[in-house]
Amino acid sequence: GESVGLHLPTLSVQEGDNSIINCAYSNSASDYFIWYKQESGKGPQFIIDIRSNMDKRQGQRVTVLLNKTVKHLSLQIAATQPGDSAVYFCAENRIYNQGGKLIFGQGTELSVKP
Amino acid sequence: DVKVTQSSRYLVKRTGEKVFLECVQDMDHENMFWYRQDPGLGLRLIYFSYDVKMKEKGDIPEGYSVSREKKERFSLILESASTNQTSMYLCASIGSGTGRNYGYTFGSGTRLTVV
Repeated sequence: GESVGLHLPTLSVQEGDNSIINCAYSNSASDYFIWYKQESGKGPQFIIDIRSNMDKRQGQRVTVLLNKTVKHLSLQIAATQPGDSAVYFCAENRIYNQGGKLIFGQGTELSVKP
Repeated sequence: DVKVTQSSRYLVKRTGEKVFLECVQDMDHENMFWYRQDPGLGLRLIYFSYDVKMKEKGDIPEGYSVSREKKERFSLILESASTNQTSMYLCASIGSGTGRNYGYTFGSGTRLTVV
């Protein structure tokens, strides 16, 4: 079936290093992708998005890469900080899908070591 | 700043009680969603609503109902709370029109414990 999944459930990095969180999706009809960050005990927060007509999009310390050939999405966090420790979810949508019901991955827990 | 507000961060209820979880959004969004989140299971969709007085079952509607009497408010009801409904409940909303962001705005979550 259609799904959005993450390759690794946990990721541990040293403070200051770069982090890469991966996500695979199976439906080539998806044309919009989002990364969310969820800190412990809180609701998910939007980090960055990308449309399928783009390969790369940059935000503040974050970059999302989209490889449509292999249906792969990644989130890169530069100079990872302790405040980046959280669970990161990818999600997919179809822009003209009424109601915009997202499909979520399971999440990757990022742990930053001081 | 746009917001989705869930009325309670933490709730403790007894088995058999009727429980109301409230969600309000100030973005004039048509679409609202209720999810529950459990370790290892990710986000699971309970119910959603495309418009006032409209509701659709999600993937796990059993034991729940919803109410959408006003556009900004979407309530989740546990008719008779059970211990297996102990979970984090997340409300989300999204607009229907074209625009820049096609992702959800989430509330801060309600951690419900049923004892």
